[in-house]
Amino acid sequence: GAGVSQSPRYKVAKRGQDVALRCDPISGHVSLFWYQQALGQGPEFLTYFQNEAQLDKSGLPSDRFFAERPEGSVSTLKIQRTQQEDSAVYLCASSLGAGQVNTEAFFGQGTRLTVV
Amino acid sequence: LAKTTQPISMDSYEGQEVNITCSHNNIATNDYITWYQQFPSQGPRFIIQGYKTKVTNEVASLFIPADRKSSTLSLPRVSLSDTAVYYCLVVPHSSASKIIFGSGTRLSIRP
Repeated sequence: GAGVSQSPRYKVAKRGQDVALRCDPISGHVSLFWYQQALGQGPEFLTYFQNEAQLDKSGLPSDRFFAERPEGSVSTLKIQRTQQEDSAVYLCASSLGAGQVNTEAFFGQGTRLTVV
Repeated sequence: LAKTTQPISMDSYEGQEVNITCSHNNIATNDYITWYQQFPSQGPRFIIQGYKTKVTNEVASLFIPADRKSSTLSLPRVSLSDTAVYYCLVVPHSSASKIIFGSGTRLSIRP
């Protein structure tokens, strides 16, 4: 496809369950971002990859959150032992260049995670 | 990272020009100003980016004064489909940088 694809679109997890969210960026895009968006709020930065290197993970809220992009393409965001406060939309974005200037970020539609 | 401040919400009518102003007093010399649009149940979509003066594309114009401490997104002749949340961001000019979203401006367009 031409855009950023995220799967699943919706995920319901029982508290304590582990979940894995997948992001397929636009082919050839160097940069990949993960964001968490709570209802009514702007997206909150989680982590940033440049190819396979995770250059910034300062936004990950706890050590239960883990992200990887082993081959510099598809990325997975894993949340272990989910808690109710993890309920949010998780957005993935990719951009062609290594920076953000003159290179727009393309966002997927997100995965809505509900922890019950 | 420079913080941005923008109105929480705005209302307008179809056919009007809408101007959304954003302040970014701590913008750094190499920072760029970027605006995104987000519809419900979708990810944000890039609208426009600029460094200084004026930038125009097929969707909007971006006005940036000389001191760069604020910027104004201008949407000409809005329609109902322009109802969305608009985010103003200051983007650092670096090779490995995160982009920070604020709370955005919720724009509602009425018939």
